[in-house]
This record gives sequence, C-alpha cells and structure tokens, in this order.
Amino acid sequence: EDQVTQSPEALRLQEGESSSLNCSYTVSGLRGLFWYRQDPGKGPEFLFTLYSAGEEKEKERLKATLTKKESFLHITAPKPEDSATYLCAVSGGSYIPTFGRGTSLIVHP
Amino acid sequence: DAGVIQSPRHEVTEMGQEVTLRCKPISGHNSLFWYRQTMMRGLELLIYFNNNVPIDDSGMPEDRFSAKMPNASFSTLKIQPSEPRDSAVYFCASSLRATGYEQYFGPGTRLTVT
Repeated sequence: EDQVTQSPEALRLQEGESSSLNCSYTVSGLRGLFWYRQDPGKGPEFLFTLYSAGEEKEKERLKATLTKKESFLHITAPKPEDSATYLCAVSGGSYIPTFGRGTSLIVHP
Repeated sequence: DAGVIQSPRHEVTEMGQEVTLRCKPISGHNSLFWYRQTMMRGLELLIYFNNNVPIDDSGMPEDRFSAKMPNASFSTLKIQPSEPRDSAVYFCASSLRATGYEQYFGPGTRLTVT
C-alpha cells in the first residue's frame, strides 16, 4: 500500500525566511510524485510532477526535489501570498494517487 | 478550457434527503476522480472512473453513496439518504490518464447536512 507522510503539519514563516516542506513516501514502482497548492475554499491546484530521483522543478519561489524516499518543496524568500496548504501525492503500482495530509504554511508580512 | 466544473458550489439539506453533486471534467481527460475532504480525515478518494467505467469504488463509505459517469463529459455523485456525518467538501478531479499524470481539481461542493 502506498503511503505519504508530510511534515511539518503547520509552518509559520516571516516574509523572506526560506524553508522546506517534506514529503516522505513509500510506493511500489513510482509513476509520479505531485505537489499541489490549496487555498482556503478552493480545490487543490497542481504545481509540479517529479518522476525520478534527482529530478528538480522550479516555479517562481518554489523548487521541488525528489529522492528515492522523499521529496522537498523549497520555498525561497516567501511572500504572504505563498500562504496555503501544500499537498503531496504519489502515483505508483496501485494506480490510485495517494495524498498526504498536507502542510499548512502561513507567511507573515 | 474552463477547467473542471462542479455544481452546486454549496448545498444545505436536511438529514434523509437525496443529494446529487455534478461534475464536468476537462475535455480529453480519460480519468475522473471523486474525493471528500474533511478536517479530520483530509482528502479521501471515493471512486474513480477510467474511460467512463468505474474502476475502484472501495473508498465509497457505504451503499448510500453511488456515482455514475454516463458519458465522457459528465459525472454525478449521489447520496441517498444523506446524514449529518456526510457534511464535507466534495471535489471532482480529472486527469489525462489514471496514473502518472497530474490531476486537475474542480472548485468543490460544500455539503452541509442538518
């Protein structure tokens, strides 16, 4: 059974204070690891897909990296508008995507 | 493309009533997923369809829940009879393929059963 664990559950940062969110996973035959952003009252919004260890993707202040056991979402010099819940999901041998519980990020001005 | 469309956005109903949630996936996507999200349990997969065929409904809580996908552009999730514990946000998502591809979520339906 595929499993995804995200940490920390909640993170408070000051504007400009860089940090990382963690997504640890176990999966048989990784077919993709996905990062989503969810704002209050909205559906999750797709950010990145990573397929193999060593792969990296960037978008504005966000950078996602992948190893064989975990993925990190690095946030560089965050702004208040980066405040959201960040969800990690994996797609593996079971075909059905498995989501983590998410990390709630608050960036204070 | 307008993205995944869900209706209604909010639904308030009394216990025992039938509730029908609707979803229009992104054109060209072959897979459709229904999720339920609560503070307690997070995002739970209820059922997913591939090419309009239900593939896995093991996440459906009980027989009160049913889902259909009569064609590639429409799906429904029905709860009959509804109970207060069904109160949650229900999301529909579509994907190009069931596995290995990102999902695109609709705005969700916030269901409140009193």
